[in-house]
Amino acid sequence: QKEVEQDPGPLSVPEGAIVSLNCTYSNSAFQYFMWYRQYSRKGPELLMYTYSSGNKEDGRFTAQVDKSSKYISLFIRDSQPSDSATYLCAMASSWGKLQFGAGTQVVVTP
Amino acid sequence: SQTIHQWPATLVQPVGSPLSLECTVEGTSNPNLYWYRQAAGRGLQLLFYSVGIGQISSEVPQNLSASRPQDRQFILSSKKLLLSDSGFYLCAWSTGQDNSPLHFGNGTRLTVT
Repeated sequence: QKEVEQDPGPLSVPEGAIVSLNCTYSNSAFQYFMWYRQYSRKGPELLMYTYSSGNKEDGRFTAQVDKSSKYISLFIRDSQPSDSATYLCAMASSWGKLQFGAGTQVVVTP
Repeated sequence: SQTIHQWPATLVQPVGSPLSLECTVEGTSNPNLYWYRQAAGRGLQLLFYSVGIGQISSEVPQNLSASRPQDRQFILSSKKLLLSDSGFYLCAWSTGQDNSPLHFGNGTRLTVT
């Protein structure tokens, strides 16, 4: 079993809709959680960085962490065609290296 | 601000040829440096990481090697490329803590023919 599970998609939504992405994990020691956005043929770009449980909001993006369920989410409000990309989750314990999900491809159609 | 440069952006090499990919970081000192390979649909595979000059840790035994000749320079090499070395190679840096986020370069797409 992989430590981090992420549905590869593709996830197709109409412009203006809410995009909902999630990852599940098995290691209860994970405390640091990240979301990256990767456009085609580019490197991943850090979107959100959170510690422990709770919500974090940054503009149209909201990251949620539920450590009791070992489940993290990223929501994108008012989605735009420019949000079309692959989104990767990543997480780490206080001593371990980052573990990445495989990424979810998102397509926002005009 | 910190920036990371990685080159070349694309590379086509024949089987058996050598490889050298270079990565440099600006605007920070003593970063942790990483080489990842990304295969389609398979996520990011950590290949090497370095916490200082001359200090290299290998995560996956393979046909590749890494070196860090200067504080902010990281090089990925191979003496003889295999077809299976094709992929998207990403360099990244972070601060000294293992759990700190990584910041990636724009990658090199390597095709071995």
